[in-house]
Amino acid sequence: QKEVEQDPGPLSVPEGAIVSLNCTYSNSAFQYFMWYRQYSRKGPELLMYTYSSGNKEDGRFTAQVDKSSKYISLFIRDSQPSDSATYLCAMNDYKLSFGAGTTVTVRA
Amino acid sequence: DTAVSQTPKYLVTQMGNDKSIKCEQNLGHDTMYWYKQDSKKFLKIMFSYNNKELIINETVPNRFSPKSPDKAHLNLHINSLELGDSAVYFCASSRTSGGNNEQFFGPGTRLTVL
Repeated sequence: QKEVEQDPGPLSVPEGAIVSLNCTYSNSAFQYFMWYRQYSRKGPELLMYTYSSGNKEDGRFTAQVDKSSKYISLFIRDSQPSDSATYLCAMNDYKLSFGAGTTVTVRA
Repeated sequence: DTAVSQTPKYLVTQMGNDKSIKCEQNLGHDTMYWYKQDSKKFLKIMFSYNNKELIINETVPNRFSPKSPDKAHLNLHINSLELGDSAVYFCASSRTSGGNNEQFFGPGTRLTVL
């Protein structure tokens, strides 16, 4: 069983929809929780970073962490075609462990 | 200015050959990494160096040898290439090796072994 589980999708939504992505994990040592966005043929870039349980909002993006359930989520409101990318959750103890990535397509 | 750069961007080679990938960061970071991303987009850490010292060495065949001549550079040499080595290799850097540091990724090197 992988330390970090993420549904690889793909996920296709119409423009303006809410995109919901999530990951589960098994390692209680994970302390830092991140979401990276990777456009096609590019390197991943950090989108959101959280430390504690709860919500963190940044513009159209909201990250949620529930440490008791070992579950993290990313919501994208009012999705745009430019949000089409692969979204990878990542968690850190001494190294960064990534989920498999969910490929999202937002249709215009 | 490119923050983390890798060369080459594409590498096509025959099985059994030896090849190197170079990485440079101009962010002044202390820590650098090599990751492998397979065809299913799964990204897995291979090595990490902090101030030229190896701090993470995941279960990677010893055909893979990283070298950090200084803290701005981390190169990856691969001996006796195999078909299964085909993947995209990403270099990354972070300010320090702590868990809460953002990692900045390079554009990747797409390696194809024939």
